[in-house]
Amino acid sequence: SYELTQPPSVSVSPGQTARITCSGDALPKQYAYWYQQKPGQAPVLVIYKDSERPSGIPERFSGSSSGTTVTLTISGVQAEDEADYYCQSADSSGTTYVFGTGTKVTVL
Amino acid sequence: EVQLVESGGGLVQPGGSLRLSCAASGFTFSSYEMNWVRQAPGKGLEWVSYISSSGSTIYYADSVKGRFTISRDNAKNSLYLQMNSLRAEDTAVYYCAREDLLRCFDYWGQGTLVTVSS
Repeated sequence: SYELTQPPSVSVSPGQTARITCSGDALPKQYAYWYQQKPGQAPVLVIYKDSERPSGIPERFSGSSSGTTVTLTISGVQAEDEADYYCQSADSSGTTYVFGTGTKVTVL
Repeated sequence: EVQLVESGGGLVQPGGSLRLSCAASGFTFSSYEMNWVRQAPGKGLEWVSYISSSGSTIYYADSVKGRFTISRDNAKNSLYLQMNSLRAEDTAVYYCAREDLLRCFDYWGQGTLVTVSS
């Protein structure tokens, strides 16, 4: 079955930049999306179509894509950004959605 | 304001059945595709099922195919998930999520917990 692979954890000091990668064979053909999830809460969309930011999401969140890897970048990390982050996409047929393995961002 | 409210979760024995509901408000429900996503305790997100706006197209994750059935009632602004032959590994918080035109999940409910245990 199709998988999206993320690093389990990323640690960053306040004000620094956090980068989270997501790798999958179908990413050149399918858009990727990123969600932030804080403990006990539902996920929130932070990036859509690889690099677009929904209204209300801070400008410090950005996305990029290169080949089979997409990247979520959080510039000038703040304490409130500490959360789990998941990428999401579809397989090459578009009939199966998949979430990445998830990355815990810790703000030191 | 868009709202999605799940209900129907609870404790069920292995092999049992449960029907989840998701009540939608604040948008034209019949115009949107909908999904169920679950999250086992302490684990990541897992997509479960998709249904088109009319209900004519349905997809399932391999892990639930043949056991779960997604449906919707556009007149009642409601989404459903019938879960049969439940297993311990189906224990999770189940979220309903709206899928927008850009193929992402732009609104989520608060989730309902399903526990499969004897």
